[in-house]
Amino acid sequence: GENVEQHPSTLSVQEGDSAVIKCTYSDSASNYFPWYKQELGKRPQLIIDIRSNVGEKKDQRIAVTLNKTAKHFSLHITETQPEDSAVYFCAASNSWGKLQFGAGTQVVVTP
Amino acid sequence: GAGVSQSPSNKVTEKGKDVELRCDPISGHTALYWYRQSLGQGLEFLIYFQGNSAPDKSGLPSDRFSAERTGGSVSTLTIQRTQQEDSAVYLCAIERKGPLSNQPQHFGDGTRLSIL
Repeated sequence: GENVEQHPSTLSVQEGDSAVIKCTYSDSASNYFPWYKQELGKRPQLIIDIRSNVGEKKDQRIAVTLNKTAKHFSLHITETQPEDSAVYFCAASNSWGKLQFGAGTQVVVTP
Repeated sequence: GAGVSQSPSNKVTEKGKDVELRCDPISGHTALYWYRQSLGQGLEFLIYFQGNSAPDKSGLPSDRFSAERTGGSVSTLTIQRTQQEDSAVYLCAIERKGPLSNQPQHFGDGTRLSIL
């Protein structure tokens, strides 16, 4: 089955700086890669996703890149703000298989 | 949230009691997941239902845990003879899978279970 590894486990950045979270996956058949943000005490919510037919996707201050050859994908947050502080989870799956989550990254944005 | 209703939102019970947690999703989903999340931890996969296939129970931590999905819709997670280490938030999530119509996974608000 799919195995997703996520790094770093914690990330502290100053407000205005960029944050990058990296994930690797094991199953070359995986073709769907979502990212979730979980604020304290709340449910995880989808913030961006990418499918294997594209290499990059951007939505305002967040972007995701995918390298299928190396089997890794990354989340980039630019111009970080205090409200970006949360736990971020990456995940991977194929069209029919179970979605597999990474262990999560605690992001702390300090003013 | 996002078409997934979980009940109860909070449950406090004594050690040794059985509990049932309910997940009531909108129609049209094909897959349903249960996760457990302890305080400050990640998403621990418990069980996965996909269409009419046999469920993937590989994440259930012990035989005290079981789950069913009735009519391909409502799901119930049952924990028998609860232990204090079962205290956590239990999250249900749904998605629609298919080569042409994948929809992202959406989570319910969870049930916070506390075992005294």
